[in-house]
Amino acid sequence: AQSVSQHNHHVILSEAASLELGCNYSYGGTVNLFWYVQYPGQHLQLLLKYFSGDPLVKGIKGFEAEFIKSKFSFNLRKPSVQWSDTAEYFCAVTSTGGSYIPTFGRGTSLIVHP
Amino acid sequence: SAVISQKPSRDICQRGTSLTIQCQVDSQVTMMFWYRQQPGQSLTLIATANQGSEATYESGFVIDKFPISRPNLTFSTLTVSNMSPEDSSIYLCSVASDNQPQHFGDGTRLSIL
Repeated sequence: AQSVSQHNHHVILSEAASLELGCNYSYGGTVNLFWYVQYPGQHLQLLLKYFSGDPLVKGIKGFEAEFIKSKFSFNLRKPSVQWSDTAEYFCAVTSTGGSYIPTFGRGTSLIVHP
Repeated sequence: SAVISQKPSRDICQRGTSLTIQCQVDSQVTMMFWYRQQPGQSLTLIATANQGSEATYESGFVIDKFPISRPNLTFSTLTVSNMSPEDSSIYLCSVASDNQPQHFGDGTRLSIL
């Protein structure tokens, strides 16, 4: 069975600081990887996804994530955060050729101070 | 991407009552799912709603407590039965097709007194 671990449960940053949220998964096969974001009072939205190809994936709002297969990681990064990035961030994984049902990490709460 | 409408958006219910949550999608989708998101925790899959047949429940969730219907490819309901304070949570509908990422509804914030 696959699992997803997000190491940072709560992150507090000032505007313009750089962000990196860790995500590690455990699964022996080929995977698809996702980052979702949930802004306060809103629904979960897809931030970016990795299916294959370039392991550095660029998403919306200046976010990017890098898939490092040898480390089973898919960390989310943003060089300069804004107050509007305050949200809950979830990493998720599905196995390729398997079900559509992702396994979600516990989530990381990001607070950005203006 | 599919537009998902979930109703109600929130409710406060009495212990022992039941509430049915509706999920409507603006296009036909292969898969529909129901999740629970408790405070400070990740999303937990309750069940996969199967069109025209019984839902597939995850470990720890049973049909008597969470009956689900999916009469067609664009609509599903989740009922939370005989509610207790432990059922206070956000309930989310999501949809997916062809191994594409899931898309989520706005969720139903449920509080049980």
